[in-house]
Amino acid sequence: EVQLVESGGGLVQPGGSLRLSCTASEFRFIDYWMIWVRQAPGMGLEWVGSIKQDGSEKYYVDSVKGRFTFSRDNAKNSLYLQMNSLRAEDTAVYYCARLPGGAGYGMDVWGQGTTVTVSS
Amino acid sequence: DIQMTQSPSSLSASVGDRVTITCRASQSIVSYLNWYQQKPGKAPKLLIYATSSLQSGVPSRFSGSGSGTDFTLTVSSLQPEDFATYYCQQSYSTPYTFGQGTKLGIK
Repeated sequence: EVQLVESGGGLVQPGGSLRLSCTASEFRFIDYWMIWVRQAPGMGLEWVGSIKQDGSEKYYVDSVKGRFTFSRDNAKNSLYLQMNSLRAEDTAVYYCARLPGGAGYGMDVWGQGTTVTVSS
Repeated sequence: DIQMTQSPSSLSASVGDRVTITCRASQSIVSYLNWYQQKPGKAPKLLIYATSSLQSGVPSRFSGSGSGTDFTLTVSSLQPEDFATYYCQQSYSTPYTFGQGTKLGIK
């Protein structure tokens, strides 16, 4: 079954760091842009950013620039989100998703999400 | 950044009803508009991409239309499993912003 599985969420204090992972299975991971999307409690979806197939291009929403870093290990079919200097407003469920093709496509496979809570 | 505005924010309808949700972009996004369905506690599900292309496995009662700045998602005959929250998203330029969501409830 084609799937994405996130892990690494948890409770962290403001100013702390956390690393999320997203592991892909049953598809050619290297063929896809990968996306991070988050959803704060009771709120809508927010696109966090994206990383190109070879990791050479990365895009971030302004609110996380300089604090979050995307990376991927295609040999391990894995995507990573390093989150530093965390703030209360980063509290959310974080989803990874794949983006087939180019800009004209939507995110067709999503993980189940992992919850990040930033609180003292 | 491109702002996406959905209307209405919520609506109530009955099984068998035809419903339409509107999404407006703050500037032209040509046809780079996608629609997702999300149920409580679940990940979003892609319904339609590139304005009107139905994602594989999605029932044909879902359809999309529009271009430029104005887009619609239509459900031709609501089924019980369609009661959920719907989001539009532009994939024209980063950040690939979402609309605020439309919660479709049972009347």
